[in-house]
Amino acid sequence: DSGVTQTPKHLITATGQRVTLRCSPRSGDLSVYWYQQSLDQGLQFLIHYYNGEERAKGNILERFSAQQFPDLHSELNLSSLELGDSALYFCASSVFTTSGAPDTQYFGPGTRLTVL
Amino acid sequence: AQTVTQSQPEMSVQEAETVTLSCTYDTSENNYYLFWYKQPPSRQMILVIRQEAYKQQNATENRFSVNFQKAAKSFSLKISDSQLGDTAMYFCAFMNYGQNFVFGPGTRLSVLP
Repeated sequence: DSGVTQTPKHLITATGQRVTLRCSPRSGDLSVYWYQQSLDQGLQFLIHYYNGEERAKGNILERFSAQQFPDLHSELNLSSLELGDSALYFCASSVFTTSGAPDTQYFGPGTRLTVL
Repeated sequence: AQTVTQSQPEMSVQEAETVTLSCTYDTSENNYYLFWYKQPPSRQMILVIRQEAYKQQNATENRFSVNFQKAAKSFSLKISDSQLGDTAMYFCAFMNYGQNFVFGPGTRLSVLP
């Protein structure tokens, strides 16, 4: 158990709909990252938040958005869903060192999104 | 931009044998971290081992060890005494001081009884 929690575990919805995925980081971790993993694919970095502020964006579609709240949990919002958005969405958290040195990311169990 | 390459899409090894998974990366930076993550059929991402680029000594973690060749930008993972539970996708990953995390495409490892 990494200490990172994600809800829901599974989500089935229809095209055109909007969903929200939730992530709670490990206690003490200020950084939250979101990744998308399509079937039999590697991980695509979507976005990174640190202490409530967006730090970096990766291959995130304009239909997707995220935020990190004062209690440090994060939500990933996916709208106007398409069949191709079906994937496993991971959240990861890490300590963000003041020196800027990278630190290990610990992954949650993922949310499996199926768009029908 | 950094890239991570894993040239072996699939590998297999007999139980109790040793196997080495390859990873190469491309960066112009001097300070960074490298990681190996394991993704078993449960799809959970599990950290296997990490290496700081400024450390010359290769990291080890029980049956897992790396061969880090900084000049060659190579970071291979050796699994000794392979066990059935080692069957998984293995991802090599790079992280720089900008906190950008780049994953390789993965190597699917099957441990055969």
